[in-house]
Amino acid sequence: NFMLTQPHSVSESPGKTVTISCTRSSGSIASNYVQWYQQRPGSSPTTVIYEDNQRPSGVPDRFSGSIDSSSNSASLTISGLKTEDEADYYCQSYDSSNQVFGGGTKLTVL
Amino acid sequence: QVTLRESGPALVKPTQTLTLTCTFSGFSLSTSGMCVSWVRQPPGKALEWLALIDWDDDKYYSTSLKTRLTISKDTSKNQVVLTMTNMDPVDTATYYCARMYSSGWSDYWGQGTLVTVSS
Repeated sequence: NFMLTQPHSVSESPGKTVTISCTRSSGSIASNYVQWYQQRPGSSPTTVIYEDNQRPSGVPDRFSGSIDSSSNSASLTISGLKTEDEADYYCQSYDSSNQVFGGGTKLTVL
Repeated sequence: QVTLRESGPALVKPTQTLTLTCTFSGFSLSTSGMCVSWVRQPPGKALEWLALIDWDDDKYYSTSLKTRLTISKDTSKNQVVLTMTNMDPVDTATYYCARMYSSGWSDYWGQGTLVTVSS
């Protein structure tokens, strides 16, 4: 099994840009799609990015995803931060037999 | 409109078997590429994937929990059932089911059901 490692927390001011990383421990990050989920307290996760860099309808283009094979990691970038973006963010990927979630990153917008 | 709803006991005793049902609508689990996945989240902790079943009745389990988990589907009832044996207080969590594509993307999630393991 591989692991996905995320920073425990990040914080930034409204209007700024923040990037959350997700590093895969083994196997290529490019081999399997990466998803990003947002979870607010008391709510189910919702998708902000799927298949590495695709945004579901209704997700603003302030959210973007990318992968970097050189660091074997994926990134979620949120620009023009709003207070409503404050939430936990989870990356997720898979291999031939397992789905794996990262440990989650708490984003504080202050 | 796609919806999923988890149901099952809110409280189970240690060593008991937990049975959870995911009842869904708005899609068919017999459609190629379609899957239903179970994910749990202990209070204040991260999401943990448990199991999934696909349109072809292939089943996949978390490596760390596979000896305790069984997933099955009833396509005619639009239901997926997850059983977890030998429950322990560390299994206390909110359990979610989600519609998932073969690309790994879960686009619709249920509201979750909190299961507490306590004597």
